[in-house]
Amino acid sequence: AQSVAQPEDQVNVAEGNPLTVKCTYSVSGNPYLFWYVQYPNRGLQFLLKYITGDNLVKGSYGFEAEFNKSQTSFHLKKPSALVSDSALYFCAVRDRGGTSGSARQLTFGSGTQLTVLP
Amino acid sequence: DTAVSQTPKYLVTQMGNDKSIKCEQNLGHDTMYWYKQDSKKFLKIMFSYNNKELIINETVPNRFSPKSPDKAHLNLHINSLELGDSAVYFCASSQVRAGDPFFGPGTRLTVL
Repeated sequence: AQSVAQPEDQVNVAEGNPLTVKCTYSVSGNPYLFWYVQYPNRGLQFLLKYITGDNLVKGSYGFEAEFNKSQTSFHLKKPSALVSDSALYFCAVRDRGGTSGSARQLTFGSGTQLTVLP
Repeated sequence: DTAVSQTPKYLVTQMGNDKSIKCEQNLGHDTMYWYKQDSKKFLKIMFSYNNKELIINETVPNRFSPKSPDKAHLNLHINSLELGDSAVYFCASSQVRAGDPFFGPGTRLTVL
C-alpha cells in the first residue's frame, strides 16, 4: 500500500523568508510524486511533479521540490515566500509500477496549511 | 476554456433526499474521478472511471452511485443523504499513464 505523510498541519513563515513544506512517502516500487495547492473555496491546482530524472523539480509560482530517495522525501520549497502563497498544500504519491486499480491512484497526504505573514 | 467543470457549486439539502452532482471535462482525458474532502480537509478518492468503466471503488456506501454516460462525463448520484455526507466533492480527470489529476472547482454539499 502507498501512503503519504505531511507531518506539519500548519507552517507559518514571514514574507520574504524561505519556506519548506515537508512530505515523506511510502510505496512498494518507485514513486511518482506530486504537489497540489488549494486556495480557500477553490479546487486543487497542480504545482509540480517528479516522474524521473533530475531530483530537483521546478513548478509553478516559483515553487520547487527535491526528491530524496534515501529519505523517501519530497519537500516543497520556495526561496522567498509571498503573502499570496498562503494556502493548503497537498503532497501525493503514485506507485510507478502499480498495476492494480488502487495502486494506480494518487494517495494524498493530510495537507499542510501555509500562512505567510506580512 | 479547457477545464473540468462541476455543477452545482453549492448544494444544500435535507436528510433523506436524493441529489446528483454533474461533472464534465473537455481535456480529452480517458480517466475521471470523484474525491471527497471532509471537514478536516482530508482528501480521499471515491471512484475512478476509465473509458466509461469503473476501475476503482473505494469503501463508499452504496448510496453513492457514479454514472458515466461517456468519456467526458462522470456524474455522482447520492441516495438517502445523511448528515455525514456533508463535504466538498471534487471531480477530476487525467490520462491514465500520466496519473496527475486535473481537478474541478468542487461542490460543497451541506446536509441539514
